[in-house]
Amino acid sequence: AAGVIQSPRHLIKEKRETATLKCYPIPRHDTVYWYQQGPGQDPQFLISFYEKMQSDKGSIPDRFSAQQFSDYHSELNMSSLELGDSALYFCASSKYGGNGYNEQFFGPGTRLTVL
Amino acid sequence: AQKITQTQPGMFVQEKEAVTLDCTYDTSDPSYGLFWYKQPSSGEMIFLIYQGSYDQQNATEGRYSLNFQKARKSANLVISASQLGDSAMYFCAMGPDTGNQFYFGTGTSLTVIP
Repeated sequence: AAGVIQSPRHLIKEKRETATLKCYPIPRHDTVYWYQQGPGQDPQFLISFYEKMQSDKGSIPDRFSAQQFSDYHSELNMSSLELGDSALYFCASSKYGGNGYNEQFFGPGTRLTVL
Repeated sequence: AQKITQTQPGMFVQEKEAVTLDCTYDTSDPSYGLFWYKQPSSGEMIFLIYQGSYDQQNATEGRYSLNFQKARKSANLVISASQLGDSAMYFCAMGPDTGNQFYFGTGTSLTVIP
């Protein structure tokens, strides 16, 4: 079965650079979520989109922005990168209202290292 | 506000034994879902099991079962017949049935001893 695809899997950037992370949800899933997991931490919710509209917002810095496109893929844009942005970034997708609950399927993550 | 608490930062279990990973939660939502995910050292987040707040029976998925005690707001994961491949971080998470963000606990690191 198709899973959530994230690219790139690994990314190394310098401070103050920009980065773009991409997420391709499971086919027919209409909701995308972004999470940030720092070293030794639990995943923290950043932002979510439903049908290309932002549906919820968590602890996403102002330096970050995200959008969901017409084909339902999503991109997380990160500017003015800081050392503290080094983390594993997960994308998850779900089908709204599917199966009576909202199971989120996680992608493999993008490991961002800021030097 | 939603909150998930996992009080066991690390657990050890002998191979083929059963182990219980604790999870308590706090929410004012009448409807919610409770999830367990496994995160091996490779980093991916693997869905294990789900319990809906209105489900009358405890969820089971193969060797995984969820001991759901709604009045005590606990959703413990029971892994039976532990295998070496079960060694990983385990996260308890909660989300509303209607979607939006998940709230994760701080995780429990499980080590299965041969």
